[in-house]
Amino acid sequence: KNEVEQSPQNLTAQEGEFITINCSYSVGISALHWLQQHPGGGIVSLFMLSSGKKKHGRLIATINIQEKHSSLHITASHPRDSAVYICAPSKGGSEKLVFGKGTKLTVNP
Amino acid sequence: GAGVSQSPSNKVTEKGKDVELRCDPISGHTALYWYRQRLGQGLEFLIYFQGNSAPDKSGLPSDRFSAERTGESVSTLTIQRTQQEDSAVYLCASSSWTVPGELFFGEGSRLTVL
Repeated sequence: KNEVEQSPQNLTAQEGEFITINCSYSVGISALHWLQQHPGGGIVSLFMLSSGKKKHGRLIATINIQEKHSSLHITASHPRDSAVYICAPSKGGSEKLVFGKGTKLTVNP
Repeated sequence: GAGVSQSPSNKVTEKGKDVELRCDPISGHTALYWYRQRLGQGLEFLIYFQGNSAPDKSGLPSDRFSAERTGESVSTLTIQRTQQEDSAVYLCASSSWTVPGELFFGEGSRLTVL
């Protein structure tokens, strides 16, 4: 069983829709990262969180440590949000990240 | 520099040759990470440097892989006697103690082993 499971693997939405990507993990963690990988390959760190909720613009990330679950939400989605979103928990006591396989999001105009 | 810089951006080599990949982190960032992404696959951790501490090499796939970092500056990832399965994009990231955990990624070095 993978240490990190993301769902869905692929997601297609219409512009303006509310998007949710889920991440469940089995390892004990100190923090969890959400990353965005654009079609050209560049990776951007969106959030690092260890509890509760963080918001940046139209993006919201939440984490429930007890349930070992995190979600990434995108409000009012836009075609430029099309990318692969990667959940990456940081193993407890370590900076070593464990990566999910990613969720490929396509937002159509 | 303004961001994490990696070179070369593309490298094609023949099986059995050695390659060196370079990462220049953001100035002042104490932590530096190397990751690998094979075609169609997820990211894999390779090695982590933090300041002057001993690096975490637990992700290196074989003894053909090694990495060095001089202080808190440039790092070099070396792959000896390359194999076709080494073909991947090698990504470097750095982070700072002042904003712990926020990672800044380079554009990657795409390695193709023929």
